[in-house]
Amino acid sequence: AQKITQTQPGMFVQEKEAVTLDCTYDTSDPSYGLFWYKQPSSGEMIFLIYQGSYDQQNATEGRYSLNFQKARKSANLVISASQLGDSAMYFCAMREPNTGNQFYFGTGTSLTVIP
Amino acid sequence: DTAVSQTPKYLVTQMGNDKSIKCEQNLGHDTMYWYKQDSKKFLKIMFSYNNKELIINETVPNRFSPKSPDKAHLNLHINSLELGDSAVYFCASSQNGANTEAFFGQGTRLTVV
Repeated sequence: AQKITQTQPGMFVQEKEAVTLDCTYDTSDPSYGLFWYKQPSSGEMIFLIYQGSYDQQNATEGRYSLNFQKARKSANLVISASQLGDSAMYFCAMREPNTGNQFYFGTGTSLTVIP
Repeated sequence: DTAVSQTPKYLVTQMGNDKSIKCEQNLGHDTMYWYKQDSKKFLKIMFSYNNKELIINETVPNRFSPKSPDKAHLNLHINSLELGDSAVYFCASSQNGANTEAFFGQGTRLTVV
């Protein structure tokens, strides 16, 4: 079974609007971390935001927030006030300490911000 | 100061050759990784290396081998290169535990001709 599922291959959003990128995960470990990364066309992987499995509140970092619904095993990324520079691939990832500290990545969502 | 650096950034080589990609991290992290990103952008874990414990993804051909001379370095050696090995290879590092992110190198675009 896939550990991380991103069901939106591509998304479009109008500049200055908010957008939600979906991510669901699969684990039986009570302790895990969830991460979002951005990969612009230049190719580098940029860390955006982290959510721990025991965190009570949703993580926020500037215009990024993570909508964490533990019971549904979802960790959606919300980008507010989209900018042209937000156009990129976005990857959701999970890390479990009991699987060799590996990061498991989803297949990514390509976001295009329309002016 | 680059946190995770890998060289070269681009590598073009012929089928059958043997090549290496170098990776170094100056963050003092305990774990290093190699990922392969194919043309569809899927990131696949190849290896993770933590305190001399190597975890290998069983789908990785044994033509690929990681070499770690010390905690700050994890190089990737590839023997008998094939066309299907063409991809972007990322090195990454992190501290142990579920609550710390991975830091990535800039990637190496390998093209086998």
